[in-house]
Amino acid sequence: QKEVEQDPGPLSVPEGAIVSLNCTYSNSAFQYFMWYRQYSRKGPELLMYTYSSGNKEDGRFTAQVDKSSKYISLFIRDSQPSDSATYLCAILTGTASKLTFGTGTRLQVTL
Amino acid sequence: EAQVTQNPRYLITVTGKKLTVTCSQNMNHEYMSWYRQDPGLGLRQIYYSMNVEVTDKGDVPEGYKVSRKEKRNFPLILESPSPNQTSLYFCASSRTGGSGNTIYFGEGSWLTVV
Repeated sequence: QKEVEQDPGPLSVPEGAIVSLNCTYSNSAFQYFMWYRQYSRKGPELLMYTYSSGNKEDGRFTAQVDKSSKYISLFIRDSQPSDSATYLCAILTGTASKLTFGTGTRLQVTL
Repeated sequence: EAQVTQNPRYLITVTGKKLTVTCSQNMNHEYMSWYRQDPGLGLRQIYYSMNVEVTDKGDVPEGYKVSRKEKRNFPLILESPSPNQTSLYFCASSRTGGSGNTIYFGEGSWLTVV
């Protein structure tokens, strides 16, 4: 079993839709939860991070963590074509900045 | 501007021919690391460095070497590349290890070994 599982998609939604991206993880020792966005042929860039269960909001983006279920989500409201990218969940262990990544979900927002 | 710079961005090489992918950051970060990204496997850590002269293996270190002689540079060395090392490679840096420090990624280096 992979430490972090993520549906690879692709996920195609119309502009303005609410997008839900999800990951599950297996190691309860994981402490910090991040979402990265990766445009084609670019490096990942950090979107959001959180360390506690609950919701964290930043503009159109909401990160949600449920530690009891080992489940993390990223919601995108009012999705735009510029949101088309691959979204990677990543979980940080306490030591050495080691990020364990999901495989990424490719999102396409259509006009 | 905060940057992690990798070179080359694209490279085709032959099996067994030693190559080095350079990585440089301008943020005075202590922590640097290398990842490879493969379809269906995501990003996997190859090596990391907590500071100058301090390096350690990540999840997939076989076939790679690194060195950290200066704080800003963290080259990735493939002594004898093989086709299974064909991949997209990312260098990353952050201020320290641990939580809350933004990890910056380079633009990626596409390597093909034939």
